[in-house]
Amino acid sequence: AQKVTQAQTEISVVEKEDVTLDCVYETRDTTYYLFWYKQPPSGELVFLIRRNSFDEQNEISGRYSWNFQKSTSSFNFTITASQVVDSAVYFCALNDYNTDKLIFGTGTRLQVFP
Amino acid sequence: ETGVTQSPTHLIKTRGQQVTLRCSSQSGHNTVSWYQQALGQGPQFIFQYYREEENGRGNFPPRFSGLQFPNYSSELNVNALELDDSALYLCASSDGTSGGGADTQYFGPGTRLTVL
Repeated sequence: AQKVTQAQTEISVVEKEDVTLDCVYETRDTTYYLFWYKQPPSGELVFLIRRNSFDEQNEISGRYSWNFQKSTSSFNFTITASQVVDSAVYFCALNDYNTDKLIFGTGTRLQVFP
Repeated sequence: ETGVTQSPTHLIKTRGQQVTLRCSSQSGHNTVSWYQQALGQGPQFIFQYYREEENGRGNFPPRFSGLQFPNYSSELNVNALELDDSALYLCASSDGTSGGGADTQYFGPGTRLTVL
């Protein structure tokens, strides 16, 4: 069965600290896609990144970086020099190859204090 | 480019009633997916529509039904509302060009449904 686990329920940091959000996934598919979304208090899910199973290169976008490791079935997300505006719930998701549905983890609530 | 929009923003219903939620997909997108997000949980897939046909369904009872129109907008209908149906309902659209799980889904702001 396909599953996404985000073991960290809530993380609190002080502004400018680096923070890593963990994501572990399970799938039997050889081709799959992983995503990260941000959900601010307004409720809308904001797309951050999509990564396919054949591309294990780490990606950096500004203060955001992602570490994809197939050997450990992990797709971790790091925010460097966190800011108060980064406060939100972050979801990792796996896309089912056959049905196109997204399978979400339970999310990690990040609170960044000034 | 207009993003995904949903209406209404909030809705309060009583148990046993019926509700219709609406979603307009992002310009150029022909695929709409609906998700239910209970408080403190991740979104759960309800179903997906591709070019007006249902294209996959999650583990939800038949009282959850949907439609997609020729302009690719969509409706989610829930009959015989139960207290557990209280949740944020999210609509997402994608362009359906890649398939096989590759399409990125872009989400609307959601409709918060409260069932009393």
